Amino acid sequence: DQQVKQNSPSLSVQEGRISILNCDYTNSMFDYFLWYKKYPAEGPTFLISISSIKDKNEDGRFTVFLNKSAKHLSLHIVPSQPGDSAVYFCAALSNFGNEKLTFGTGTRLTIIP
Amino acid sequence: DSGVTQTPKHLITATGQRVTLRCSPRSGDLSVYWYQQSLDQGLQFLIQYYNGEERAKGNILERFSAQQFPDLHSELNLSSLELGDSALYFCASSPRDRGRYGYTFGSGTRLTVV
Repeated sequence: DQQVKQNSPSLSVQEGRISILNCDYTNSMFDYFLWYKKYPAEGPTFLISISSIKDKNEDGRFTVFLNKSAKHLSLHIVPSQPGDSAVYFCAALSNFGNEKLTFGTGTRLTIIP
Repeated sequence: DSGVTQTPKHLITATGQRVTLRCSPRSGDLSVYWYQQSLDQGLQFLIQYYNGEERAKGNILERFSAQQFPDLHSELNLSSLELGDSALYFCASSPRDRGRYGYTFGSGTRLTVV
């Protein structure tokens, strides 16, 4: 049962354009959402997060949008840079119990110079 | 360097064998989480320890076990290995037992079972 879904395994975007990565979730108990970025041969690193009390959080070139009614979140990267090429994981936390992260399957983003 | 150390980085072993993966959490972090990433799969939660005690279990097979020692390092033991156990195994640590305070991941151990 995949509670966090990233339906696009890969995405290619021209350098300088906007990258939009999408994530859907099914568990209505999730109340905190995070994006992680992963380069080959490295562990995932935290990128940006959002609480369910917000619908947008911005950090430099990265913005995460949350639509609770649709159980959908997205990560926007503007402008996209070659160094953004990586695998991006969406993750979610429930405010119940120990709050382990539940991850999506990831989207491989390739920025084309 | 994230501050979370995993050893070894690579491990090749035969079916039926037993291996131990080691994780040293970031200084000051009390929680350790183990995740498995198989080919084209997301990170699957295996188990969490907090200050030496098991706190949560995920989809961890009975052939797998883990522990966290008094110095807070953790070991994941995988036994009676099968080809399907080949995967990347990540350890993450966080300051408390609640994940929203931030996970820091190690660079992983790549296990290949032949």
